[in-house]
Amino acid sequence: DQQVKQNSPSLSVQEGRISILNCDYTNSMFDYFLWYKKYPAEGPTFLISISSIKDKNEDGRFTVFLNKSAKHLSLHIVPSQPGDSAVYFCAATFSGSARQLTFGSGTQLTVLP
Amino acid sequence: GAVVSQHPSRVICKSGTSVKIECRSLDFQATTMFWYRQFPKQSLMLMATSNEGSKATYEQGVEKDKFLINHASLTLSTLTVTSAHPEDSSFYICSASVHSSPLHFGNGTRLTVT
Repeated sequence: DQQVKQNSPSLSVQEGRISILNCDYTNSMFDYFLWYKKYPAEGPTFLISISSIKDKNEDGRFTVFLNKSAKHLSLHIVPSQPGDSAVYFCAATFSGSARQLTFGSGTQLTVLP
Repeated sequence: GAVVSQHPSRVICKSGTSVKIECRSLDFQATTMFWYRQFPKQSLMLMATSNEGSKATYEQGVEKDKFLINHASLTLSTLTVTSAHPEDSSFYICSASVHSSPLHFGNGTRLTVT
């Protein structure tokens, strides 16, 4: 049973426009969520996170929104740049888990110049 | 910032041999390291949690006798794939964290068993 789901395996966006990547989770115990960016043959790189006590966290061009009632979070990238092209993983964890993360299956974002 | 180094980045071995993968935290002490495995077009699956000075905790379905984990120091954890078979071919990634900071990942090891 997938506890963290990314239903869109791929997304293409024009440079300068907004990219919206979505993630759903089923485990209500999760209270901390992260987004990672991954290039081929490299490990994931931490991008941004959000605690369940917030509904929004912003860092430069990246904003993560959390809707606890819907068990849904999204990552907004604006404006999108060609260098943003990568696989984006949503991950979730809960207090006391020793930082064990449950990952979604990833979304390949392609930003077209 | 914190850096996690993983070695080797790519390894090809023959079926039946063992392969050791190293994961080092370069500028911080990691009491806990994690080992993940990723199949093509799938998510990273947690294999085990490696605690310094104690036995690793394995996730359900992961054979502890096949995937030996040693966390001998605060900066080094190793994963040994014993008697490797072609179905063990995968991308293995380690990660570590400091206190409440987000996990930092190594660059992964592409294992191919022929």
